[in-house]
Parts: sequence; C-alpha cells; structure tokens
Amino acid sequence: DAGVIQSPRHEVTEMGQEVTLRCKPISGHDYLFWYRQTMMRGLELLIYFNNNVPIDDSGMPEDRFSAKMPNASFSTLKIQPSEPRDSAVYFCASRHDRGRSTEAFFGQGTRLTVV
Amino acid sequence: KNQVEQSPQSLIILEGKNCTLQCNYTVSPFSNLRWYKQDTGRGPVSLTIMTFSENTKSNGRYTATLDADTKQSSLHITASQLSDSASYICVVPYTDKLIFGTGTRLQVFP
Repeated sequence: DAGVIQSPRHEVTEMGQEVTLRCKPISGHDYLFWYRQTMMRGLELLIYFNNNVPIDDSGMPEDRFSAKMPNASFSTLKIQPSEPRDSAVYFCASRHDRGRSTEAFFGQGTRLTVV
Repeated sequence: KNQVEQSPQSLIILEGKNCTLQCNYTVSPFSNLRWYKQDTGRGPVSLTIMTFSENTKSNGRYTATLDADTKQSSLHITASQLSDSASYICVVPYTDKLIFGTGTRLQVFP
C-alpha cells in the first residue's frame, strides 16, 4: 500500500477563495482523521470519520470548514471562504479498528498558505 | 481534563550525545502511549508503543519508559545522529480519538 495520500502538497490561495484538500486513506482502514498543525498549537483534531460516517466534528473551527467522505477511499476538507489565519499544514490520517490498534498513519500533509 | 504535556519544548544537542524527552499525561482511562517522530515537512510516524504493563522498551537507539503510577513516559535517545533531528510527539488514545502532546523539537548538530 502506498500509505495515506494527500493532495495537493502545497496550496497558495488568496483570501476569500475556496480551498479543497483531498485524502485517500489506507485501504481497509475504518477511521479517517483530519488534523491541522501550527507552530503555536501543535496538532489539532478537526473531524474524524468511522466507516465513512462523521463521528465528531467539534474541532472544526467555523462553518467555513466542511468535510465529506463519500466512500471508503476518499475524503475532502473544504474551506470556503479561506482566511489568512487558516494557513497551516493539514494532515489526514487513517487507522483500522482491528485489535483496537491506536496507530494512526499520516499522509505527507498539505501546506496551505492564504494570502 | 485529558491532556498530554511534553518537555522540553525544544532541545539542541551535539551529535553523539544522549538525550531524554519527557511526557506527562492525565488521560483516563489509560490503555497505551505512543511516541511519534515527525521529520520536517512530513507526517508523524510511530516509533514505539507502551502498554499499561510495560515499563521499558527499546527500538535501536531509542528507549521508551512508562510509569503508569506517576503517568509519565520518557524517550531516551542514545548516541544521537543528525537524522534524529525532528519533532517527537507523545500520543495517548482517548475513546476513538488521539490526544497529542505539543511535541519536543530536537536539533542535533555536528
């Protein structure tokens, strides 16, 4: 397996534009997580899915953020409209639920810059 | 409140030296703790997992310890190498989620 795949790796956009981040989890994994990482706050959980169903979106900062998982192999995180304070690295991670494994496998991240 | 705290925030050492990173947690109930390594520009990767019954575990030059009574874990790096420069993150699961520490940024200089 190629691991968790995120795209794009880098995104630079103007304030007010819509941004869509994409994630392909590891095949067979039941959970998918979206995180945001900044120097000040470290890794913050935004939302996670179990079997494609959103379980907890309490970490989503505002209504400008939305996430979907239409099937087991794809998820998107959308920011509309984007703001400079959204600039961060966004990580997608997945894990399976067998044996209650807690190891999450992370993608390479998407570095978002909003100017 | 379920929290994971790490110290120091950053650390600079010379190549070949040893260092120890600390992690304190208040997550309950506790089942295990993982140490992740995050290289610059990459996602975190698991180094080792410590379960409730384990006190010490080694993985090459990395040795992790766990004291479930005091709710502390440490990661000791022996004979550091330049490639050890990274952030080290302590993670404890809580229900379906993972509680992340803010990490220790380690820099190894020649």
